[in-house]
Amino acid sequence: ETGVTQTPRHLVMGMTNKKSLKCEQHLGHNAMYWYKQSAKKPLELMFVYSLEERVENNSVPSRFSPECPNSSHLFLHLHTLQPEDSALYLCASSQAPGTYNEQFFGPGTRLTVL
Amino acid sequence: SQQGEEDPQALSIQEGENATMNCSYKTSINNLQWYRQNSGRGLVHLILIRSNEREKHSGRLRVTLDTSKKSSSLLITASRAADTASYFCATDEGYKYIFGTGTRLKVLA
Repeated sequence: ETGVTQTPRHLVMGMTNKKSLKCEQHLGHNAMYWYKQSAKKPLELMFVYSLEERVENNSVPSRFSPECPNSSHLFLHLHTLQPEDSALYLCASSQAPGTYNEQFFGPGTRLTVL
Repeated sequence: SQQGEEDPQALSIQEGENATMNCSYKTSINNLQWYRQNSGRGLVHLILIRSNEREKHSGRLRVTLDTSKKSSSLLITASRAADTASYFCATDEGYKYIFGTGTRLKVLA
């Protein structure tokens, strides 16, 4: 899992807090993704970045704000979250956003919103 | 959007037995991937099969694809306790992949 790292691994926050999740990939990839994984639900694609440009925003509430300053780093800024936002947030990268590209996942950030 | 749906949702077998998981999807695809996820961790890519392929092997893994039935299966032979994990299929939709809910496999020692 050293290819894609995520920090923090665990995060507990109140509904009025502001926090950020960080993802870094060391694979030289050009595409990065944020996914949300909730219990008994399919993995939900949230955002896709290709060469630092957002190419997908899957109807995600504005309380989630992504940032991709360069092709190696991806952030997810969180503010005024709801308890139902508690989930495992996974970052992934791939050589390109197109098909036939294997995705490499980070270990995830376990988020709990109180 | 299309979605891969895995079946069964959960599977419990003895070490040494084979495990078979199935994935069904709704629309035509270019390829399908299988991933494994250990509890609370990230997903790990296992195998990719293209739409013009019918079967693919990787070590103890065997994947089949039947595009006429819009289904794929993942067979793990001679299972080990370390194979205990959730397994997901992912189907391509343009430049992204759609994941299913997964099959939770438990291999008992």
